[in-house]
Amino acid sequence: DTEVTQTPKHLVMGMTNKKSLKCEQHMGHRAMYWYKQKAKKPPELMFVYSYEKLSINESVPSRFSPECPNSSLLNLHLHALQPEDSALYLCASSQEGQGARMAQYFGPGTRLTVL
Amino acid sequence: GQQVMQIPQYQHVQEGEDFTTYCNSSTTLSNIQWYKQRPGGHPVFLIQLVKSGEVKKQKRLTFQFGEAKKNSSLHITATQTTDVGTYFCAPRRDYKLSFGAGTTVTVRA
Repeated sequence: DTEVTQTPKHLVMGMTNKKSLKCEQHMGHRAMYWYKQKAKKPPELMFVYSYEKLSINESVPSRFSPECPNSSLLNLHLHALQPEDSALYLCASSQEGQGARMAQYFGPGTRLTVL
Repeated sequence: GQQVMQIPQYQHVQEGEDFTTYCNSSTTLSNIQWYKQRPGGHPVFLIQLVKSGEVKKQKRLTFQFGEAKKNSSLHITATQTTDVGTYFCAPRRDYKLSFGAGTTVTVRA
């Protein structure tokens, strides 16, 4: 199984809502990532988890809160978002270790619209 | 981060023709990865290059890493409509991929 799944596919939320994005992989990968991608731009790294611990936070505003409940799951909790946060949110996973190829496998993404 | 510049930004290709997209860095890279993102899709890993002067082929795609490890290229022969999409190069350092802006390819049938 080389698939990363993400739910929901689409999400529309108001600025006062609280919602969560979910990501799951069963490839045994111990590194998981959240990216944000605006239209016609490359993906921008937001967070990295390694062995279920937050390894990298790319100075992301606190209205985005990641969580890694176990080695297969990754969540992104959203609260008090702004319209400029509307984007495609991509989850990815990769193997761990210097010797590993560390190709990142991306999920299909959640298309988020903040009204 | 490790910044790379990709050229051209857009590539319009006649079906059956060849084209090349380039990825350039001002600093020496330890590796470079290439990803393809179809319209409405997500990035898909294509290849990783590590060695100076490395050349790898995948069917009609040829990837090259420069001798100085400061540039990389992707050459596609006999372009097909399935080649449509945006091709990103991305040097990797630890967990971080520093994506270039991408080359968006359209194909005229």
